[in-house]
Amino acid sequence: EAQVTQNPRYLITVTGKKLTVTCSQNMNHEYMSWYRQDPGLGLRQIYYSMNVEVTDKGDVPEGYKVSRKEKRNFPLILESPSPNQTSLYFCASSPGPYNSPLHFGNGTRLTVT
Amino acid sequence: AQSVAQPEDQVNVAEGNPLTVKCTYSVSGNPYLFWYVQYPNRGLQFLLKYITGDNLVKGSYGFEAEFNKSQTSFHLKKPSALVSDSALYFCAVRDDGGSYIPTFGRGTSLIVHP
Repeated sequence: EAQVTQNPRYLITVTGKKLTVTCSQNMNHEYMSWYRQDPGLGLRQIYYSMNVEVTDKGDVPEGYKVSRKEKRNFPLILESPSPNQTSLYFCASSPGPYNSPLHFGNGTRLTVT
Repeated sequence: AQSVAQPEDQVNVAEGNPLTVKCTYSVSGNPYLFWYVQYPNRGLQFLLKYITGDNLVKGSYGFEAEFNKSQTSFHLKKPSALVSDSALYFCAVRDDGGSYIPTFGRGTSLIVHP
């Protein structure tokens, strides 16, 4: 089954404790991206990647890091999480960035206390 | 610059009645427009898109959307609503001459009453 898999689904952590949210896709998509969803704000893009070793900032990149060492994986790293990063996070992929629809994972709900 | 607006936070409709979820956009070039649906505890699912061609676009689950260039709108419609259509709907836009980053609306909660 074609899918985008995120782990974990739920994560509760404390301020300053480094964490990684994994994302993997099995569709051989070149384009991958991370979004955060907050009430009243819709989805905002954090980072995106056009291909292996090619990443770029989205609209809200502060406090986040990403890497794209393999085509299928695109982990999101929070080096020092803060409470304002409490949110619902989605990974998405598509064959290309232009007019292809995005395939989303089921989300990771992160709480930082 | 690109932007998208979903003017209604919530839309209520009775089962069997037609539904419309509104979306307006602003781009410098030509728009690539998308509708997604989000069910509880799930990621967004693609419904339909407009890239070019016919202004009436048909998508999944009986949904369709009409592209109106003069009104810069891309409203989502369905002739007969089902209770199972109750979900959160997002409109998204990309400017074909702009960045790779699509802009999403804030979402509209559709509630279909039995």
